[in-house]
Amino acid sequence: AQSVAQPEDQVNVAEGNPLTVKCTYSVSGNPYLFWYVQYPNRGLQFLLKYITGDNLVKGSYGFEAEFNKSQTSFHLKKPSALVSDSALYFCAVRLTRTGGGNKLTFGTGTQLKVEL
Amino acid sequence: GAGVSQSPRYKVAKRGQDVALRCDPISGHVSLFWYQQALGQGPEFLTYFQNEAQLDKSGLPSDRFFAERPEGSVSTLKIQRTQQEDSAVYLCASSPGTGNTEAFFGQGTRLTVV
Repeated sequence: AQSVAQPEDQVNVAEGNPLTVKCTYSVSGNPYLFWYVQYPNRGLQFLLKYITGDNLVKGSYGFEAEFNKSQTSFHLKKPSALVSDSALYFCAVRLTRTGGGNKLTFGTGTQLKVEL
Repeated sequence: GAGVSQSPRYKVAKRGQDVALRCDPISGHVSLFWYQQALGQGPEFLTYFQNEAQLDKSGLPSDRFFAERPEGSVSTLKIQRTQQEDSAVYLCASSPGTGNTEAFFGQGTRLTVV
């Protein structure tokens, strides 16, 4: 079984400050990890993914995430937040093993609010 | 089109009515997924197609739910005898390959059962 935990329902940050959205995962094997963002009345948009290699992954809109195998975490970060980053963020995991299926398992989401 | 297209965007059904939700994936995408997203929750996996083959339907909540992708392109999710607990946003996603490729999501169909 695979699962994802996003411990914070909401994160508030001032514009210009760094932001972190937390994610931990549980899988019985090696994971592929993803972050998606959801704006109101819109579908999920892909931000970034970790497959293998460098633990620091850079993605769209200045976001990055760090894969930490020992802590089973994949926190989303951005050095300087913008008001336009305010949205709902989802972490997701997929197993890498052959025959493991391709389904993504999502966390419950974290609402990011960036204020002036 | 450039992205995954779902129709209708909104559907109101009376309890007991059958509904059909359509997904047009990105052209050439091998993989197609259906997810259910309840209010305030993350998307929950329903079923997965690789071309026309339904390889995983472990997430379908009951035998009232049925999905098909007969020609390996357009997919339809059908819900028979809808119940109030079926009210949710149904998301379709496609990806060009399998494994480590990211999925591209449609805007979803919001189903309300009254």
